[in-house]
Amino acid sequence: GQSLEQPSEVTAVEGAIVQINCTYQTSGFYGLSWYQQHDGGAPTFLSYNALDGLEETGRFSSFLSRSDSYGYLLLQELQMKDSASYFCAVLNRDDKIIFGKGTRLHILP
Amino acid sequence: DTEVTQTPKHLVMGMTNKKSLKCEQHMGHRAMYWYKQKAKKPPELMFVYSYEKLSINESVPSRFSPECPNSSLLNLHLHALQPEDSALYLCASSQDRGGGNYGYTFGSGTRLTVV
Repeated sequence: GQSLEQPSEVTAVEGAIVQINCTYQTSGFYGLSWYQQHDGGAPTFLSYNALDGLEETGRFSSFLSRSDSYGYLLLQELQMKDSASYFCAVLNRDDKIIFGKGTRLHILP
Repeated sequence: DTEVTQTPKHLVMGMTNKKSLKCEQHMGHRAMYWYKQKAKKPPELMFVYSYEKLSINESVPSRFSPECPNSSLLNLHLHALQPEDSALYLCASSQDRGGGNYGYTFGSGTRLTVV
């Protein structure tokens, strides 16, 4: 089977940095994606890591360690609009994307 | 055009009704997907179409019937649904199956209520 683990909730202060971790178990791993979803909205693609290392896109960075089956999403200079749910998602050899349960990010002013 | 358009945005239907959800994209994406999402839960994969052919059916009950009339359109036909089928139904597309570096583009969803 396959499973993804991420914290259910994280709270951080506006302007700070927050890291959301994700560990996974899957057969035929291809890559790890991250999606953002605001309440009532659609998931929005943030990043994809197929190889070990850090990928940076503006204020958001994503990291993958294939040997540890672990990744994280790093959000810098937090803004109130970053309050949302963040899902890690595994792409496996069946070309299916399976989502983790999501991390609800709360940002305090 | 970088959007996936879903209609209707809201739908209330009785358990004996037949209805259809529609999804359209004009990004030239060759893979399209249906996901179901319950409140405070992750999206759950239902169907995958690749090059207009059904490639994955995640053991979805037959009361849900997908259709891909052409490379830009994806329908989900609903019949004899149960109240527990009430959820947000999300359509997504990607350049190729799996999404890869560009991920999926999701529509804003159809919020379905079965009464």
